[in-house]
This record gives sequence, structure tokens and C-alpha cells, in this order.
Amino acid sequence: EVQLVMSGGDLVQPGRSLRLSCAASGFTFQTHAVHWVRQAPGKGLEWISSFMLDNTNVAYADSVKGRFAVSRDNAAKSLYLQMNSLRPEDTAIYYCGKDINPGDLGLWGQGTLVTVSS
Amino acid sequence: DVVLTQSPLSLPVTLGQPASISCRSSQSLLSGDGNIYLNWFQQRPGQSPRLLIYKVSDRDSGVPDRFSGSGSGTDFTLKISGVEAEDVGVYYCMQGTHWPYAFGQGTKLEIK
Repeated sequence: EVQLVMSGGDLVQPGRSLRLSCAASGFTFQTHAVHWVRQAPGKGLEWISSFMLDNTNVAYADSVKGRFAVSRDNAAKSLYLQMNSLRPEDTAIYYCGKDINPGDLGLWGQGTLVTVSS
Repeated sequence: DVVLTQSPLSLPVTLGQPASISCRSSQSLLSGDGNIYLNWFQQRPGQSPRLLIYKVSDRDSGVPDRFSGSGSGTDFTLKISGVEAEDVGVYYCMQGTHWPYAFGQGTKLEIK
């Protein structure tokens, strides 16, 4: 079965760091793009980053630019979201998603909860 | 950046009745390759979003045919021909034509 398996969510104090993982199961990361989307409690979906698998272009939302970074490990069939200088407003369920066809975000991970609180 | 505006934000519907959600874009979503990457997602309570419709009107695999999408340029619509209990959740439009991708605010569908 083709799926994205996420891990890494946790309760962390403000100012600390956390790394989320998004692993491919049943396929490999080769084409199109992988995206990170978050959902604060009771709120809508917020796009935060896109990573183009074909050419490694990457984009970040202003709300996370300079604090979050995406990286890739081909051997582990995984992408990572490194989150630094975390703030209470970063508290959310984080999803990774992949384009199955260009622009469709057709495959989603199960989500992982990040709570930033002292 | 593209801004997507959905309406209504809340949609109470009687079982079996049709439902319609509008999504308006702040700019054209026509891509250089001639496609319009406007998608619709369903998010049931406690679940990840699920792709229903891509490229305005193409249903994803396994999506019931009571769901349909239409539109062009900057105005798009998701229609449910007859709402069933399992359709309860929040519906989002999303554009994948321009980076960064963008989502609408979401429309909460509930049974009246």
C-alpha cells in the first residue's frame, strides 16, 4: 500500500527545536513535490513548505521562513522538517503530503501533533 | 500570493438534499501548460484531508459520483448531488497552479 508515514511530533518548550519525519512506504520520492501543511487546533489548513523532488527547489511560508528547513534522505526514503526556535503559535497537527499528479497533493500522511508550551 | 475565498463557511444540509460550495481565487489559476490546478479536499473529524476532485472536475479514485466539480478562471464550485451522513466534515479548495499552494478557509458541512 502506498502511504506516507509521519513521526516526530511532541510537546516542546518555546525556543526549542524538533524534527518531523515523513517516510514513503510502497514507493520512493522521485517526482513532483512534497508539501508540509499544518492545522492549528480548531483551525483550517495552512501551507508551510513545498519541496520539489525533481530539482530540490524549496519554498516556505513567511510564518516559518528562517526557522524551518526541509531536508531529504534518499536512502531512508524520507523527508524531514527541521523546526527551530519554536513558538506557541506553531502548535498544530503537521501533515506531509505528496503530489501524485502535478499540483494535486493527492497523498497525505496521518499527521503528527506538535505542542509548543512551557 | 493567491488567496482563495470559500462560501459559505457553514453549510447545514438535510440528508438527501444537494449542497454546493463556492471557491473564488484572487487571480487566474490557468497554468502555462493549459491546466487549472484547483482541487477539493474533504476532512472528516479526526482524519487527514482526502483529495476528492483535482484539476477542477476530475474525481480521485474511489470518490463517489455524487461529488462533482466545475468552474473556470477564478470561480469554482463543488457540488454534492445528494448529501449522505458520511459527507459530514470540512471541505477545502486548494490551488496548485502557483507556488505557494493555498487553501480556502474551509466549509463545514453538517446535517440539519
